[in-house]
Amino acid sequence: GAVVSQHPSRVICKSGTSVKIECRSLDFQATTMFWYRQFPKQSLMLMATSNEGSKATYEQGVEKDKFLINHASLTLSTLTVTSAHPEDSSFYICSARDLANHNTGELFFGEGSRLTVL
Amino acid sequence: AQSVAQPEDQVNVAEGNPLTVKCTYSVSGNPYLFWYVQYPNRGLQFLLKYITGDNLVKGSYGFEAEFNKSQTSFHLKKPSALVSDSALYFCAVRDSGGATNKLIFGTGTLLAVQP
Repeated sequence: GAVVSQHPSRVICKSGTSVKIECRSLDFQATTMFWYRQFPKQSLMLMATSNEGSKATYEQGVEKDKFLINHASLTLSTLTVTSAHPEDSSFYICSARDLANHNTGELFFGEGSRLTVL
Repeated sequence: AQSVAQPEDQVNVAEGNPLTVKCTYSVSGNPYLFWYVQYPNRGLQFLLKYITGDNLVKGSYGFEAEFNKSQTSFHLKKPSALVSDSALYFCAVRDSGGATNKLIFGTGTLLAVQP
């Protein structure tokens, strides 16, 4: 299957700093990528849809100024957690669908990024 | 609005026995249905999907799922469970006629296979 690379896998930062997480589709192109947040022993919560070349679409309750999303190319989307606080500590997972199968294709997921804010 | 329900937080099964992980869905149009598996501190791995055609779908690692339109269900099954199948399983749905291509996930079911 297609590969989605997510980096870093783990990051620890101080409160008030910003953290950038990268999501790359390695062997396919994706006009749309999705960012999810997962709390311990809970399901995935869709945060936003990242659209190549345009603004991201955020889900209700997700602060767009807090979670900055950039999708500059067909293979790269980034999530920046700005001015991070301990409550932002979570497991963040990105996913992408192959442009060639954008209608019926399954999502391919990155390995996730564990963010810990001290 | 689309939604997915996984009624069981956890399913326990003995190795070698058949397993079923339940999923029901709600969409306004025709559903695209998916099963994913997640191991601890990892991303999700795709198992199988139903888009159209045969109601019985076969996927990775010996898993299969049956689409039942009248019961709006898409239960995941395997004839003989392995200890290595122990993981968190997510059912997901997309509305084929929806304006967006968002995938909505169920709450997950933890499968525990005892040796």
